[in-house]
Formats: sequence, structure tokens, C-alpha cells
Amino acid sequence: DAGVIQSPRHEVTEMGQEVTLRCKPISGHNSLFWYRQTMMRGLELLIYFNNNVPIDDSGMPEDRFSAKMPNASFSTLKIQPSEPRDSAVYFCASSLYQSETQYFGPGTRLLVL
Amino acid sequence: AQTVTQSQPEMSVQEAETVTLSCTYDTSESDYYLFWYKQPPSRQMILVIRQEAYKQQNATENRFSVNFQKAAKSFSLKISDSQLGDAAMYFCAWGANGGATNKLIFGTGTLLAVQP
Repeated sequence: DAGVIQSPRHEVTEMGQEVTLRCKPISGHNSLFWYRQTMMRGLELLIYFNNNVPIDDSGMPEDRFSAKMPNASFSTLKIQPSEPRDSAVYFCASSLYQSETQYFGPGTRLLVL
Repeated sequence: AQTVTQSQPEMSVQEAETVTLSCTYDTSESDYYLFWYKQPPSRQMILVIRQEAYKQQNATENRFSVNFQKAAKSFSLKISDSQLGDAAMYFCAWGANGGATNKLIFGTGTLLAVQP
């Protein structure tokens, strides 16, 4: 079975540009999570969805960040405009049920110059 | 609020030896899960082992086992017969079972080096 798929794997962009990260959860999983990993803050949850509905977005740093899940097999995390402090590894994870084990994708390494 | 503490930023072990990574947590929830994830240099987050808080028996996965002390809020990971491929960052994580949110709360990680 394919695991969680994320694209792109690496993204280099300039400050002010729009960045879109994509995630395809494991088929059949109904919970999807977006995490960010930085040296300073470690791993932190940005937002998560249950059955395509955003449940907790308290971790989204500011209005420049937005996330959508238009269907059960696709989600996006968008940063507009991007800033150098957004440079991090962004992980998508999915789980079968709300409290089940979360399986992570390979991550997207974002560098904003 | 829940917190997870990993007090060992770095550990080292000789190949074939045993090492224990420490993790403590704080929560007022009675029903929760605990996890250990491994993050090798590739950055992939890989589930190592999971423990349900209601189970008294410690979880085991091949060479990996945990010592879960619920009253002490301690959840250590033991790696037996360490292999070079075990070298990675290890994260302890807490997750609620049910409730309004199921975010994982991660510790700061322990970087494990395996010496040949």
C-alpha cells in the first residue's frame, strides 16, 4: 500500500511568493494532519481535518497560512505571501480514525529566500 | 495542557548493545496513547511503537520495547541489539484517545548514535 504522499519534496522560493504544498493521505484514512518542524520549535501541529472538515486550526501561525481538503484524497497547505521564517519541513500525516496512529509522509522541505 | 519531555538530547550506544531512551509526560487525561517515532537523516517520521494507556502490558516490537509507568507518567524506549540503522532522532509523542482534539504532542527528541 502506498503511504502518505507529499509534493513537492523540496521547494525553494523567494520571499513574497505563494507556496502550495500537497498531500494525499492513505486511502481509507479519514483524519489528516499538517505539521511543521523547525529547529527552534520542534514538531508542531498546524491544522487537522476529520472527514474533510477542519477541526483544529489553532496552530496555524497567521493569516498567511491556509489549508483545504476538498475531498478525502487530497489536501493543500498554502502560504501567501511566504517569508524566510516559514522555512521548515512540512509534514502531512493521516490516520484511520481520530485517535488512531498517525502515519507521516516524507515531508516537504521549504526554503524561503 | 499536555507536555512531553525528553531529557536526553543525545545518546550513544555500541552496536549490539542495549540503550534506553527516556520520556516523561504530563496530562490530566485518563485515556491516551503514547508513541515513539524514529526520524532518520532522510527526515521521514517512522512509527516505532505505540502504547495504549489503559493497557498494563508493555508494548514490544521485535528489538524495541517500552517501559510504561502510568503513575509516574514515564514512557521509556529500550532498543536491544542495537544496529547501525537504528541511528536516528527519536521522538516521544502523546495523543488523546477521543475528546475534542487528537493532536500529537511531541517531545524535543533524542539523537541516537550507534558506534560500530
